[in-house]
Formats: sequence, structure tokens, C-alpha cells
Amino acid sequence: ILNVEQSPQSLHVQEGDSTNFTCSFPSSNFYALHWYRWETAKSPEALFVMTLNGDEKKKGRISATLNTKEGYSYLYIKGSQPEDSATYLCAFRGGTSYGKLTFGQGTILTVHP
Amino acid sequence: KAGVTQTPRYLIKTRGQQVTLSCSPISGHRSVSWYQQTPGQGLQFLFEYFSETQRNKGNFPGRFSGRQFSNSRSEMNVSTLELGDSALYLCASSLALAGRSYEQYFGPGTRLTVT
Repeated sequence: ILNVEQSPQSLHVQEGDSTNFTCSFPSSNFYALHWYRWETAKSPEALFVMTLNGDEKKKGRISATLNTKEGYSYLYIKGSQPEDSATYLCAFRGGTSYGKLTFGQGTILTVHP
Repeated sequence: KAGVTQTPRYLIKTRGQQVTLSCSPISGHRSVSWYQQTPGQGLQFLFEYFSETQRNKGNFPGRFSGRQFSNSRSEMNVSTLELGDSALYLCASSLALAGRSYEQYFGPGTRLTVT
């Protein structure tokens, strides 16, 4: 059974704070690591697809890093805003998984004004 | 470009009935994956279709089935519904070209309630 773990489960921060969360995944048979943002009553929104060890991706105030050798990825949000409040999900894709993503339980981020 | 659409958005069924959910992918996307989301289990992979063929299947009983049509639209069917099948069912489409991992774009989901 594939284990994709995210921590923390939930996080409350003040507007303007920077924050980060972790995704742990199997280091063997790695193909890609996906990050999603899921706001209430909306569809999950793709943030990043990361495939190479050492990859760093950035989109506005959000960035992510990837370490495939040790099996973890970090997502960073700089200067959090209330509109960043959402559940952040990571998903692991193995080498022969094609369209199968194995999701972590998510980190629920609440940004207080 | 239109996004992924799913119909119906909400559905209430009785135990023992069957249900069919529909997913229309983004134009040009040939892969459709289905996921079940429940509060306790998070997002669980059901199956993936590519060019009308099931490429991968999750750990769900045979009551869960799907298919994909030549226009890439996909349906999933759940027979003999159980209370535990109450969930949000999401489909996602992807370009799925060989050699790299593409984003999966999710639809709004179908909320199924089994009473």
C-alpha cells in the first residue's frame, strides 16, 4: 500500500505570515509529484507537477521543492493572504501508474485577516 | 477552453439501486481518471481510461465500473448501491502524452447520497 503523508493536518496563520507544509512519499518507483489547491465548493486546482530531484517550481507567492531520493516535497506560501485559505493536496504518481494519482490527506490552511 | 464537466452535480439514490455518472473531459484530453472523496478516506483513485481502454484500476469492488467513448467522454457506474458509497465523485482529464506527467484537471464533482 502506497503511503503519501502530509503534515501538518491543519494550519492557522495570520495574514502576511509565510508558511510551509510537507508531503512525504515513497522514494522508489517515483515518476511525478503533483500539488493541488482545493477551495471549498470548487474543483481541485493544479498548482505544480514536479518530476526531477531538486526541482523547484514557483507560481506567484507559492513555491515548491522536491527531493525524490528521500521522498519529500515542501510547499511554501510567502505572505499568506485570506484567499490562500484552502486544502493543499499532494499526489504521488509511480512509474507504471499512468493516470493514477495517490493523494495525501491534505493540509487545511486558514489565513486570518 | 471549456473545463471538465460532470453530470449530474447532485444525486440521491436508495440502497440497492444503480447509478451512472458522466464526465466530459477538456477538448483534446484523452485520459479520464475517476476519484472518490469521502471525509474519512480522502481522495481515492477508482480507475483511469485512455483511448477507450481501462489502463489502471484502484482497490474498489466490482460494483464500480466505467467506460470511455470514442469522443473521450467517460461514464462510471455503481451497481447495488450501499450507504458507504455516499461520496463526492470527481473525474479528471489529462493530455497524457507519453514521456511526461501532465496535470490532471478536475471537474466540479457529483455528490452522491445513498439513503
